[in-house]
Amino acid sequence: AQKITQTQPGMFVQEKEAVTLDCTYDTSDQSYGLFWYKQPSSGEMIFLIYQGSYDEQNATEGRYSLNFQKARKSANLVISASQLGDSAMYFCAMRPRRNTPLVFGKGTRLSVIA
Amino acid sequence: EAGVAQSPRYKIIEKRQSVAFWCNPISGHATLYWYQQILGQGPKLLIQFQNNGVVDDSQLPKDRFSAERLKGVDSTLKIQPAKLEDSAVYLCASSPLAGGPDGELFFGEGSRLTVL
Repeated sequence: AQKITQTQPGMFVQEKEAVTLDCTYDTSDQSYGLFWYKQPSSGEMIFLIYQGSYDEQNATEGRYSLNFQKARKSANLVISASQLGDSAMYFCAMRPRRNTPLVFGKGTRLSVIA
Repeated sequence: EAGVAQSPRYKIIEKRQSVAFWCNPISGHATLYWYQQILGQGPKLLIQFQNNGVVDDSQLPKDRFSAERLKGVDSTLKIQPAKLEDSAVYLCASSPLAGGPDGELFFGEGSRLTVL
């Protein structure tokens, strides 16, 4: 079974600074996908970034990058130049290559301070 | 492109009453998911449909929860009778890809249930 662990219940970051949100995972599958979603107070889940287990380069999407360390089974999200609008819950999730749904961690609440 | 539509956005009921949530996925998406998100936790899968067939309902409390996707498009999730611990946000998601790991899920805004 897949398991996602996010050990930081809450994080604070100063506006314009970078922040790293931690995520470790456990799976016996050789092929899998890792995702990060943002959930603002309004409730919708917004897809941010994806990393495949066989991707050699770390994924980047604008101000978001994924620090993927396969041997450590970690997939940390890095947000550069934080903005007030980045304040939200952030969820790490994974799915194996077969037809299975996303498994989510418990999330990290990020608060950006002006 | 229209997103995943869910209704109602909010529902308050008393325990032992019934409630139904509706979801219309993005047009053409074959896979539909219902997730339950209890306050302070990550979403937990309740059921996954592929077209109008159930792929995974292993975590659905079948004594009180039911879901259907009769024509392979929109879906209904029902709870009867509701318990206090069913208070949560019910998220519907859809995906155009069934087999690959890189298919992101597209989520609706959720239906927030409060059971008194």
